[in-house]
Amino acid sequence: GNSVTQMEGPVTLSEEAFLTINCTYTATGYPSLFWYVQYPGEGLQLLLKATKADDKGSNKGFEATYRKETTSFHLEKGSVQVSDSAVYFCALSDLQGAQKLVFGQGTRLTINP
Amino acid sequence: ETGVTQTPRHLVMGMTNKKSLKCEQHLGHNAMYWYKQSAKKPLELMFVYSLEERVENNSVPSRFSPECPNSSHLFLHLHTLQPEDSALYLCASSQRPGLAGGDTGELFFGEGSRLTVL
Repeated sequence: GNSVTQMEGPVTLSEEAFLTINCTYTATGYPSLFWYVQYPGEGLQLLLKATKADDKGSNKGFEATYRKETTSFHLEKGSVQVSDSAVYFCALSDLQGAQKLVFGQGTRLTINP
Repeated sequence: ETGVTQTPRHLVMGMTNKKSLKCEQHLGHNAMYWYKQSAKKPLELMFVYSLEERVENNSVPSRFSPECPNSSHLFLHLHTLQPEDSALYLCASSQRPGLAGGDTGELFFGEGSRLTVL
């Protein structure tokens, strides 16, 4: 079945550091790929998405490129801020049968000033 | 109100209580979902409703009973829960594609209901 694997956390960085959170997937067909973010005490919010191979999603300085050849969708940001501290979830859309998202296990990111 | 709203935000209940979680979406979507988020575990899909019909039930114990009276409202009725059911319960909605497709599968989430079972 479809699945998503994220790099394990927690990840702790200093402000202005470069961030990469790895995400790889297994899927049949051509799913859309997503990164969701969950700030403390809140639900999940869509951060960015890509709907086909080689698409790059971007938002708030974060980027991820849909790589079909490596089945990856790694999240990157050039200079993180304390306000980026949150849990990040990689997900793919499973359009077989009931439409739903399949999530990775989440990566907790903490940015120190 | 906009987006997806969930009530209550926090709920503490005993194992013999009966309570319900409520979700309302103001986005005009036609599909709604319940997810369970436990500490140190991936998000678990519990139920999917599409056009008010349950289209997926991921082997959830019968002590959880969903109800979708219309496309804007979703309930999760709780009865005789166990302490291991303590978790954050997240509701989401989406617009399922029509025959012409074109939807990316994006879900819009509420802020969740934090449930503690004593």
